[in-house]
Amino acid sequence: GQQLNQSPQSMFIQEGEDVSMNCTSSSIFNTWLWYKQEPGEGPVLLIALYKAGELTSNGRLTAQFGITRKDSFLNISASIPSDVGIYFCAGQATGANSKLTFGKGITLSVRP
Amino acid sequence: DTAVSQTPKYLVTQMGNDKSIKCEQNLGHDTMYWYKQDSKKFLKIMFSYNNKELIINETVPNRFSPKSPDKAHLNLHINSLELGDSAVYFCASSQNSGNGYTFGSGTRLTVV
Repeated sequence: GQQLNQSPQSMFIQEGEDVSMNCTSSSIFNTWLWYKQEPGEGPVLLIALYKAGELTSNGRLTAQFGITRKDSFLNISASIPSDVGIYFCAGQATGANSKLTFGKGITLSVRP
Repeated sequence: DTAVSQTPKYLVTQMGNDKSIKCEQNLGHDTMYWYKQDSKKFLKIMFSYNNKELIINETVPNRFSPKSPDKAHLNLHINSLELGDSAVYFCASSQNSGNGYTFGSGTRLTVV
């Protein structure tokens, strides 16, 4: 089945630093999505990417859809304490019944 | 108004019991989903319904039975609960494939 690889499992950074997260797949996806989950809540969509090579920003967040369609990255610039949470990448193939496959997530900690 | 709402938020029950989790979305989305998040935070799809019709049914024990009375509701009934069913269950909805999902805040199920 489709698998998405996210590593490392945890990242620890200092407030103000930039951080980059990568996600790779064994399969081609036509949509890449990045979600953030905070404790006690469901994942919230941060950025959606629909085209190979697409670079999209949402405030301090920037994500890119890899040219091969098998990878994506998310950058967070000038991190702040409220950036802590679990960041999931997710990929979806085309087709009305295609499911959203999630990576295992990266837990981000930001030291003040 | 909460876009995707699940009830209850917490559910503690004994092994062997039968329980239900309810989900409602007020976004007008056509497709609804149930995901299970285990203790390692891995999100795995269980079921997907499009306009009350089951379209995805992953390898889930048949003790789990989804029911969609209308396209705004997708409930999850679990029979003969087992210890391994303890997890956080998320309901989600989407309008079209590839547009990202909106998640509820989850139901933490603990089987004792």
